[in-house]
Amino acid sequence: TQLLEQSPQFLSIQEGENLTVYCNSSSVFSSLQWYRQEPGEGPVLLVTVVTGGEVKKLKRLTFQFGDARKDSSLHITAAQPGDTGLYLCAGDYNQGGKLIFGQGTELSVKP
Amino acid sequence: KAGVTQTPRYLIKTRGQQVTLSCSPISGHRSVSWYQQTPGQGLQFLFEYFSETQRNKGNFPGRFSGRQFSNSRSEMNVSTLELGDSALYLCASSSGGGRGNTEAFFGQGTRLTVV
Repeated sequence: TQLLEQSPQFLSIQEGENLTVYCNSSSVFSSLQWYRQEPGEGPVLLVTVVTGGEVKKLKRLTFQFGDARKDSSLHITAAQPGDTGLYLCAGDYNQGGKLIFGQGTELSVKP
Repeated sequence: KAGVTQTPRYLIKTRGQQVTLSCSPISGHRSVSWYQQTPGQGLQFLFEYFSETQRNKGNFPGRFSGRQFSNSRSEMNVSTLELGDSALYLCASSSGGGRGNTEAFFGQGTRLTVV
C-alpha cells in the first residue's frame, strides 16, 4: 500500500515569510502533482513533476522532485494572504488514473 | 474549454436513502475518477473509469458504485446511506493513464450531508 506523508499539516505565517511543504513516500512515483484547494471548492492543479531532479517554478512557487522520484517539495517565497489555502500533493504510482493524496497542508498567511 | 461539471453542488439525504451524483468531464477526456474528502481522512480514492470500464477501485464498501457512459459522463451511486458518508465528493477528469498523463482536473464537488 502506497502512503504519501505530507508535512507540516498546519502552517501559520506572516506575509512576506518563506515556507516549504514536504511530500514523502517509500515508493517511487511515476509523477507527482501539487494542488491548491479553497474551502468548498475542488482542488486546482498547480504543477505536475515527472522527471527525477526536476524543478519547476510558478511565480513565487518552486516545486522540486527528488532524484529518486520518492519525494517532492513546494517552496513559497514571500508568501501573501492570497496564498492561503489547503495544499495537497498527489502521487501517481502508475496505477491507471488512481492518485494517492497526502493529508494536506493548511496554510494561513496573515497580513 | 469547459471544466469539470458536477451536479448537484449540495445534497441533504436521510440515513438509509440512496443518492446519485453526476460528473461531466472535460471534453476529450476519457478518464473519470471519484474521490471522497472528509476532514479526518483527506482525499480517498473511490474508483476510476476509462472508456466505460472500471479500471481501478479503492477500499470502499459495495454500497459505493459508479458507471461511465459512452460520452464519458460518469455517475456515482451510494446506497443505504450512513451518517459517515457525509463528505465532499469530488470528480476528476484526465486524458487517460500512462506516466505523466494522470494530471487530474477536479470539479467543484458535491457536498453530501446525511442526517
